[in-house]
Amino acid sequence: EAQVTQNPRYLITVTGKKLTVTCSQNMNHEYMSWYRQDPGLGLRQIYYSMNVEVTDKGDVPEGYKVSRKEKRNFPLILESPSPNQTSLYFCASSLSRTGSYNEQFFGPGTRLTVL
Amino acid sequence: KQEVTQIPAALSVPEGENLVLNCSFTDSAIYNLQWFRQDPGKGLTSLLLIQSSQREQTSGRLNASLDKSSGRSTLYIAASQPGDSATYLCAVIGNTDKLIFGTGTRLQVFP
Repeated sequence: EAQVTQNPRYLITVTGKKLTVTCSQNMNHEYMSWYRQDPGLGLRQIYYSMNVEVTDKGDVPEGYKVSRKEKRNFPLILESPSPNQTSLYFCASSLSRTGSYNEQFFGPGTRLTVL
Repeated sequence: KQEVTQIPAALSVPEGENLVLNCSFTDSAIYNLQWFRQDPGKGLTSLLLIQSSQREQTSGRLNASLDKSSGRSTLYIAASQPGDSATYLCAVIGNTDKLIFGTGTRLQVFP
């Protein structure tokens, strides 16, 4: 089944404790990205990657890191989480960077709480 | 800067009604527009994708239209059912390579 998977689905942690949220897709997609969703602010892009070893900042990159060592994986790293990073996080992927047929597929989400 | 607005923010209707959800965007230079459904605490499910050269797309009881020049899209839901209750999000993608989302319409269909 074609899908985007994320782990963990739920995470409660404390300020300053490094964590990684994994994202994997099995559709051989080039483009992957991370979003966060907050009440009243909607979904905002954190980072994106157009292909292996190519990453760039989205709208709200502060406090996050990413890497793209393999095409299928795009982990999100919080080196020193803070309470304002409490949010619902989504990973997404699509076939290519641009083009009119560029349907985006989303993972199930990771609900992160930073105490 | 692209901005996407969805009206209404919330909608509550009895089962069986036909619905229209609205989405407007400020910059008409888009590659496509995508409609999603989100159930509470869950991920996003893609419903329909309309390419910039298309006027509409249909899937079952859903029909989405796109008027790029006026910066508008509508999602039409025919014969609504309680299972349609969810938040509906529209998003556009342009030359910045990322989806710009609206804040959604929360739909409740009661029996």
